[in-house]
Amino acid sequence: AQSVTQPDIHITVSEGASLELRCNYSYGATPYLFWYVQSPGQGLQLLLKYFSGDTLVQGIKGFEAEFKRSQSSFNLRKPSVHWSDAAEYFCAVASSYNTDKLIFGTGTRLQVFP
Amino acid sequence: GAGVSQSPSNKVTEKGKDVELRCDPISGHTALYWYRQSLGQGLEFLIYFQGNSAPDKSGLPSDRFSAERTGGSVSTLTIQRTQQEDSAVYLCASSFDRAGTQYFGPGTRLLVL
Repeated sequence: AQSVTQPDIHITVSEGASLELRCNYSYGATPYLFWYVQSPGQGLQLLLKYFSGDTLVQGIKGFEAEFKRSQSSFNLRKPSVHWSDAAEYFCAVASSYNTDKLIFGTGTRLQVFP
Repeated sequence: GAGVSQSPSNKVTEKGKDVELRCDPISGHTALYWYRQSLGQGLEFLIYFQGNSAPDKSGLPSDRFSAERTGGSVSTLTIQRTQQEDSAVYLCASSFDRAGTQYFGPGTRLLVL
């Protein structure tokens, strides 16, 4: 069965610092991978997705993620965090034959200090 | 509007009552999804519609939960005889077609007293 693990429940960084949010997945074949962000009281917004091809994926708001098959990981990165990035971040996986059903990780809450 | 809308935004009900949650997908999107976000379970898939039919109902937690979609547009998620464990945020998403990017609504926060 597919699963997603986000090991960090809560991360705190200073504004301007770099950020890496970890995501590990479990799936037998090549998965479809996603990162979503949820701001307080808001729905989920897609940051980026990986289906195939280049393993370094660029997304919105200056985020990027790298698919590493050998490590079953899809970590999200940003070189310089802004205060407005404070939110909850969810990694999700879907199988290539059943992309209807997203399996989400438990989320990482990001707090940004000025 | 441009995005997925959901109503009501908040709902408080008494245990045992029925509730209906509504989702208006993005115009032209053929696929519609319901998820539940709760403290204990995280984000869980509930059901998916392609047009008006639901090929995958595997995520519905019990037979108290049902959903329908009419006219290939609006969807209603109904919870009968609500229980306290049904308290959660119910999120709806739509996509242009199956396998397309899912766009989420703001959710309905349900509290069962």
